[in-house]
Amino acid sequence: RKEVEQDPGPFNVPEGATVAFNCTYSNSASQSFFWYRQDCRKEPKLLMSVYSSGNEDGRFTAQLNRASQYISLLIRDSKLSDSATYLCVVTPLTTDSWGKLQFGAGTQVVVTP
Amino acid sequence: GAGVSQSPSNKVTEKGKDVELRCDPISGHTALYWYRQSLGQGLEFLIYFQGNSAPDKSGLPSDRFSAERTGGSVSTLTIQRTQQEDSAVYLCASSPRPEDQETQYFGPGTRLLVL
Repeated sequence: RKEVEQDPGPFNVPEGATVAFNCTYSNSASQSFFWYRQDCRKEPKLLMSVYSSGNEDGRFTAQLNRASQYISLLIRDSKLSDSATYLCVVTPLTTDSWGKLQFGAGTQVVVTP
Repeated sequence: GAGVSQSPSNKVTEKGKDVELRCDPISGHTALYWYRQSLGQGLEFLIYFQGNSAPDKSGLPSDRFSAERTGGSVSTLTIQRTQQEDSAVYLCASSPRPEDQETQYFGPGTRLLVL
């Protein structure tokens, strides 16, 4: 079983609509959670961290469910520019694992006019 | 300022040849990471350098893979006797401090194709 699993999609979303997707992780010791965005043939870039209480950044909302070991990302009022692959990232916060981010394979989102 | 740079951007090689991939991290960043991304797969951790400490090589898939970081700055990932399954995008990232996991800045990657 992969440590971080995501629905590969694609999620086809009409412009202006809302889309949400989850990511599950297997290591209950995971402490830090992030969403990265990766455009086609580009490097990943940090989108947002995911905090225990949930957090928003503009049209993006991230939530963490420790009991069920998943995180979610919701995009409201989707823009064409939101089309990308969204990578779920988790890591245990121990000194021997700092920086060893564990990436999911990504969820592709395609926003259509 | 300048971001993480990698070279070459693309590399085509024949099976059995050795290749060297280079990463120039952001100036002043003490932590440097190498990842591999195969088609349709997530990023796979390879190796991690932090300052002058011994690197964490736990992610290297075989002894054909090695990496070094000279002078705490530039890093080279070497793949010896390349195999077709080595074909992937090799990404380098750096961060100012290892505990700043939020601030890993990625380079554009080297796309390696082994024929």
